[in-house]
Amino acid sequence: DAGVIQSPRHEVTEMGQEVTLRCKPISGHDYLFWYRQTMMRGLELLIYFNNNVPIDDSGMPEDRFSAKMPNASFSTLKIQPSEPRDSAVYFCASSFGDPGGTEAFFGQGTRLTVV
Amino acid sequence: EDQVTQSPEALRLQEGESSSLNCSYTVSGLRGLFWYRQDPGKGPEFLFTLYSAGEEKEKERLKATLTKKESFLHITAPKPEDSATYLCAVALDGGFQKLVFGTGTRLLVSP
Repeated sequence: DAGVIQSPRHEVTEMGQEVTLRCKPISGHDYLFWYRQTMMRGLELLIYFNNNVPIDDSGMPEDRFSAKMPNASFSTLKIQPSEPRDSAVYFCASSFGDPGGTEAFFGQGTRLTVV
Repeated sequence: EDQVTQSPEALRLQEGESSSLNCSYTVSGLRGLFWYRQDPGKGPEFLFTLYSAGEEKEKERLKATLTKKESFLHITAPKPEDSATYLCAVALDGGFQKLVFGTGTRLLVSP
């Protein structure tokens, strides 16, 4: 398996524009996570899905952020409208079962810059 | 508020110079503590999970230990390829899915 695949790797956009980040989890994994990483706050969980259903979105910063998982092999994180403070690296991760003992596999991340 | 603090923020070692990284936590209910390694430009990579105080796990030159208030990642005779950022995270009551991460320790091992 190629691992968790995220696209694009880098995104530069202007304030106010819509941004869509994409993720393909590892085949067979039933949990999918979206994280955001910044120097100041580290790695923060935004939302996670189980069997394509959003379970907890309490980490989503505000209504400008939305995430979907239309099927087991694809998820999107959308920011509309984007703001400079959204600049960060966004990671998608997937795991099989409750990741208490099993590991979560992370993608390479999308570096978002909002100017 | 649940909090995870890692120290030091950065650590520079000579090859072969053993040391320890610290992860202290103040959480309402700990279900597990995770260690991850992150290389520049990449996502975190899983190293260990510890579940209860007194537990220890080893992998090559790394050894993780857990007490009721903190965890240590001991690095024995490190090599330059051990250079990375090491992240710890805690899983709280309610499930292992919600991980609270520390901000990491950047380790640089010089030859």
